[in-house]
Amino acid sequence: AQSVTQLGSHVSVSEGALVLLRCNYSSSVPPYLFWYVQYPNQGLQLLLKYTSAATLVKGINGFEAEFKKSETSFHLTKPSAHMSDAAEYFCAVSNQAGTALIFGKGTTLSVSS
Amino acid sequence: ETGVTQSPTHLIKTRGQQVTLRCSSQSGHNTVSWYQQALGQGPQFIFQYYREEENGRGNFPPRFSGLQFPNYSSELNVNALELDDSALYLCASSLTDRATGELFFGEGSRLTVL
Repeated sequence: AQSVTQLGSHVSVSEGALVLLRCNYSSSVPPYLFWYVQYPNQGLQLLLKYTSAATLVKGINGFEAEFKKSETSFHLTKPSAHMSDAAEYFCAVSNQAGTALIFGKGTTLSVSS
Repeated sequence: ETGVTQSPTHLIKTRGQQVTLRCSSQSGHNTVSWYQQALGQGPQFIFQYYREEENGRGNFPPRFSGLQFPNYSSELNVNALELDDSALYLCASSLTDRATGELFFGEGSRLTVL
């Protein structure tokens, strides 16, 4: 069965520092993987997705993620954090039927000046 | 183009009551999915509607039901409300019934059950 584990419910970084949000997945079929961001009182917005093309995926707002099959990981990174990056981040994998997303519990990113 | 809109944004119900939440899909999208997001948790898939037919369902009881209309707007109905139904309910529309495509989420309807 498909599942996603996000390591660390809360990550704090200083402005300008590297952002690393961890996601490990379990999938019985080749996975489609996603990162979504949720700002306060807003819906989720797609940051990036992996659909079996390039293993390094670039998304919006300077974020990128690397698919590592051997480690079953899809960690999200950004070289330099900005105050506006403070939000809740969700990693997700498509279900086996390919009709829905299975989300992790989320990681709250805090950015301090 | 307009995005996904949901109504109401907030509502309070008591245990045992029934609730209807509404969603207007993004223009041109024929698929709508509903997710439940409990406090401190990630969204959980309730069901998907594609061209007015239920096209997949998560691990939710039958008292959670839905409809999709010819204009692709949608409703989520929950009967016999329980305290654990308190959550943010998110509607997402997409161009395809495949989860490989991008989901466009509304801002959600926050339901409190007392």
